[in-house]
Amino acid sequence: DADVTQTPRNRITKTGKRIMLECSQTKGHDRMYWYRQDPGLGLRLIYYSFDVKDINKGEISDGYSVSRQAQAKFSLSLESAIPNQTALYFCATSDLTGGYSPLHFGNGTRLTVT
Amino acid sequence: AQSVSQHNHHVILSEAASLELGCNYSYGGTVNLFWYVQYPGQHLQLLLKYFSGDPLVKGIKGFEAEFIKSKFSFNLRKPSVQWSDTAEYFCAVNPYSSASKIIFGSGTRLSIRP
Repeated sequence: DADVTQTPRNRITKTGKRIMLECSQTKGHDRMYWYRQDPGLGLRLIYYSFDVKDINKGEISDGYSVSRQAQAKFSLSLESAIPNQTALYFCATSDLTGGYSPLHFGNGTRLTVT
Repeated sequence: AQSVSQHNHHVILSEAASLELGCNYSYGGTVNLFWYVQYPGQHLQLLLKYFSGDPLVKGIKGFEAEFIKSKFSFNLRKPSVQWSDTAEYFCAVNPYSSASKIIFGSGTRLSIRP
């Protein structure tokens, strides 16, 4: 299922480095999301976007920024990576009705910050 | 604060045993409810969803869930598990008043002994 594609799949970086995680989708959905998954904490919302001109902070946006380059593309940046940003990151999409429609997830990016 | 509780962090069962995973949420208004499954090394996939109507909903692979409004619960069940059900299961809640925000529980890891 390549409807939501995340790159890279794995990344190891050093503290203080800038890193970008990319997400693209072919589902034609307007809404896109970035979540991080940590063991025992479930998924927490970082940022979400309802359309190209709309960007919203989630519950844990500090230390992250996003860019919605097109309807199909939504990238997540860590301006200066720190070790506690080590996590599994998921991009997800949903159609215009948001929570009334389920999320469709990408395969995730495993990020390690040393 | 709104939250979703999954009290079972790790459940171990033998094949053919019955399964029930608990999910409780703290939001008092109308909600949409989801169960997602994450097989080892894969992304999250939707198991089932509840929006309205019959509180007993059926999903894929023989799973079902019952919404009990008075108990703020949405427990996941399966009469007879298989080894292939080994995965992590996430309950998620979307309050009607917050179309964008989908709150995930911390997940329950299910291990099935062959």
